Amino acid sequence: EPEVTQTPSHQVTQMGQEVILRCVPISNHLYFYWYRQILGQKVEFLVSFYNNEISEKSEIFDDQFSVERPDGSNFTLKIRSTKLEDSAMYFCASSSDSRSNQPQHFGDGTRLSIL
Amino acid sequence: EDQVTQSPEALRLQEGESSSLNCSYTVSGLRGLFWYRQDPGKGPEFLFTLYSAGEEKEKERLKATLTKKESFLHITAPKPEDSATYLCAVFNQAGTALIFGKGTTLSVSS
Repeated sequence: EPEVTQTPSHQVTQMGQEVILRCVPISNHLYFYWYRQILGQKVEFLVSFYNNEISEKSEIFDDQFSVERPDGSNFTLKIRSTKLEDSAMYFCASSSDSRSNQPQHFGDGTRLSIL
Repeated sequence: EDQVTQSPEALRLQEGESSSLNCSYTVSGLRGLFWYRQDPGKGPEFLFTLYSAGEEKEKERLKATLTKKESFLHITAPKPEDSATYLCAVFNQAGTALIFGKGTTLSVSS
């Protein structure tokens, strides 16, 4: 069964450093998302992306964050200058359609630890 | 404000002991309610989508139902392998993002 793959599985970074999280969505999907989950808290929406543009972003997704689809298969999340509070699990998701009858499928996440 | 609340936070069952998990939601114009399963260290795994009150979906020992204010995930004769965190989510009003509840962590012992 097709799946969303994320790399790396665990990233340890010094505060203030830039980090790029990578995702390969399911191949025929057109809509891409990033969510994060701080330990013990809810999964929170960060950003949705379609047709090489951001469709929607949450208040969490400030100027330190950016997303990119650099080629036909990868979807990346960049954090320019990491803070301690950026430590979380980051999940990439994709769907074939933005309508509600097409569910979002999630990868297994990247655990980001900021020291 | 769109919200999803799940209860209980944790549930311990004996193998074969059926129970239900609750998800209550507030969103204007429900565009879809989703149930996911999340194992430790893994991403959410899609289980069901429900759209309208009265709808029901089944998969093995799981059955999801929907009313105008809440959804239930019924687990019939659970097995230890059903142990996981079950997440409920709804689309926001724009239909562009999922709003998740905190989840119910289910532990089934043999």
